[in-house]
Amino acid sequence: EAQVTQNPRYLITVTGKKLTVTCSQNMNHEYMSWYRQDPGLGLRQIYYSMNVEVTDKGDVPEGYKVSRKEKRNFPLILESPSPNQTSLYFCASSQRPGQGGEKLFFGSGTQLSVL
Amino acid sequence: SQQGEEDPQALSIQEGENATMNCSYKTSINNLQWYRQNSGRGLVHLILIRSNEREKHSGRLRVTLDTSKKSSSLLITASRAADTASYFCATEQTGGFKTIFGAGTRLFVKA
Repeated sequence: EAQVTQNPRYLITVTGKKLTVTCSQNMNHEYMSWYRQDPGLGLRQIYYSMNVEVTDKGDVPEGYKVSRKEKRNFPLILESPSPNQTSLYFCASSQRPGQGGEKLFFGSGTQLSVL
Repeated sequence: SQQGEEDPQALSIQEGENATMNCSYKTSINNLQWYRQNSGRGLVHLILIRSNEREKHSGRLRVTLDTSKKSSSLLITASRAADTASYFCATEQTGGFKTIFGAGTRLFVKA
């Protein structure tokens, strides 16, 4: 089954404790992206990747890191989480955007709480 | 920067009625997409309309796009209780590689 898998589904942590949220897709998609969703703000893009070893900042990249060492995986790293990073996070993937348009496939989300 | 803005923020209708949601955006786009989200779950793609298209249909969904007004509308006909969800428009910007989402419309369909 074609899917984007995120883990964990829920995560509670404390300020400053490094964490990684994993994302994997099995559709051989080139494009992957991370979004955070906050009430009233919709989804805001954190980072995206056009292909292996190619990543770029979205609209709200501060406090986050990503890597794209393999095509299928795109982990989101919070080196020193802070309470304002408490949010619902989504990973998404698609074929090449900007080439006539391709729909995004989303993971089930990770609800992160930073205390 | 938020590209798409949906209107209304919330909509409550009776089963069987039509639901119309609007989206406005600010810059040139390659396409506009509509997604659905059920209470905090992942978004699901509904329909995509390209910048050179004016109207598109998919089942009970009808999407229009007016690039001169930078706006789009999503019509759900004969709504069902199962259509209760949040609906987001998303725009793929011209010359870029970002898909930018609006804040969404929460639709509640009463049985």
